[in-house]
Amino acid sequence: EAQVTQNPRYLITVTGKKLTVTCSQNMNHEYMSWYRQDPGLGLRQIYYSMNVEVTDKGDVPEGYKVSRKEKRNFPLILESPSPNQTSLYFCASSLGGASTDTQYFGPGTRLTVL
Amino acid sequence: GQQLNQSPQSMFIQEGEDVSMNCTSSSIFNTWLWYKQEPGEGPVLLIALYKAGELTSNGRLTAQFGITRKDSFLNISASIPSDVGIYFCAGPTNAGGTSYGKLTFGQGTILTVHP
Repeated sequence: EAQVTQNPRYLITVTGKKLTVTCSQNMNHEYMSWYRQDPGLGLRQIYYSMNVEVTDKGDVPEGYKVSRKEKRNFPLILESPSPNQTSLYFCASSLGGASTDTQYFGPGTRLTVL
Repeated sequence: GQQLNQSPQSMFIQEGEDVSMNCTSSSIFNTWLWYKQEPGEGPVLLIALYKAGELTSNGRLTAQFGITRKDSFLNISASIPSDVGIYFCAGPTNAGGTSYGKLTFGQGTILTVHP
């Protein structure tokens, strides 16, 4: 089944403890992106990648890192999480290299930072 | 960065009613996208618009790309309970709206449909 998977789906952690949220797609998509969703703010783009080894900042990249070493995986790294990073996170991918192509979203990861 | 403002923020309607929502920006866009997010799920693309003035339908949904290129509209006719969700507009956000990587979403319109 074609899909975008994220792990973990739920995570409660403490301030300063490094964590990684994994994202994987099995559709051979070129483009991948991370978003965070907060009430009243909609979805905000954190980072995106238009191809392997090519990543760039979205609108809210502070406090996050990403890597794209292989096409299918696009992990989101929080080196030192803080409470303001408590949010619902979505990974998405699209076939072409453009954000305006149809993006397929993962199921989301709900992160709580205490 | 550029911002998209959606209106209304929420709507409570009766089944069978028509729904209208819009999205505005202070900058022009070359592409407008409408996504729907159902409870507990990720967003799903409903309609994509690529040309000013374009009117596109997808079943009971109709979206329009405003002629000023600074707004877009989504209409849902004869609403049903499964229309419940959050509707987002989105557009590419670099200068001239020609970036292929960045995407900005509006704040969303929360739709509730009473049977």
